[in-house]
Amino acid sequence: GDSVTQMEGPVTLSEEAFLTINCTYTATGYPSLFWYVQYPGEGLQLLLKATKADDKGSNKGFEATYRKETTSFHLEKGSVQVSDSAVYFCALSTSFGNEKLTFGTGTRLTIIP
Amino acid sequence: DAMVIQNPRYQVTQFGKPVTLSCSQTLNHNVMYWYQQKSSQAPKLLFHYYDKDFNNEADTPDNFQSRRPNTSFCFLDIRSPGLGDAAMYLCATSRSPGLALETQYFGPGTRLLVL
Repeated sequence: GDSVTQMEGPVTLSEEAFLTINCTYTATGYPSLFWYVQYPGEGLQLLLKATKADDKGSNKGFEATYRKETTSFHLEKGSVQVSDSAVYFCALSTSFGNEKLTFGTGTRLTIIP
Repeated sequence: DAMVIQNPRYQVTQFGKPVTLSCSQTLNHNVMYWYQQKSSQAPKLLFHYYDKDFNNEADTPDNFQSRRPNTSFCFLDIRSPGLGDAAMYLCATSRSPGLALETQYFGPGTRLLVL
């Protein structure tokens, strides 16, 4: 079945450090890929998405590129801020019109000043 | 500004005592979802409504039921909660089922504790 494997956390970085959170997937067909973020006390929010191979999703300084050859969708940011502290979830959906999101287990990120 | 609202944020129930969690939305979205998220695990879809059509995941236990009386509200009923049902329950909405183009909007979740 479909699955998403995320880099285990927690991850702790200093402000302005470079961030990478690894995500790989297993899916039949051609999935759409997503990163969701959950700030403390809040619900999940869509951070970015990519719907086909080589697409790059970007938002708020975060980027992720859909790599079909390595089945990966790693999240990156060049310079993190304290306000980026949250839990990040990688997710996939395997076909257009499929309502189901398959999530990874989440990576908790803490940024220290 | 609240778009997907879940009440209560924390719910304590007793083993075997029925409990209902509620979700409301101000987005007028057609689809509403319920996810279960256990500690340090990925959110897992339990079921969803597309308008009034109910779609149950194959591995969702019969102990979990849902009701959607109108567009704005959706309820999760746990008929006989067990200790293993303690989790965060997330409600989400989307305008349509096409995830490639549509975003799911999540509520803050209800954390359920079973004593």
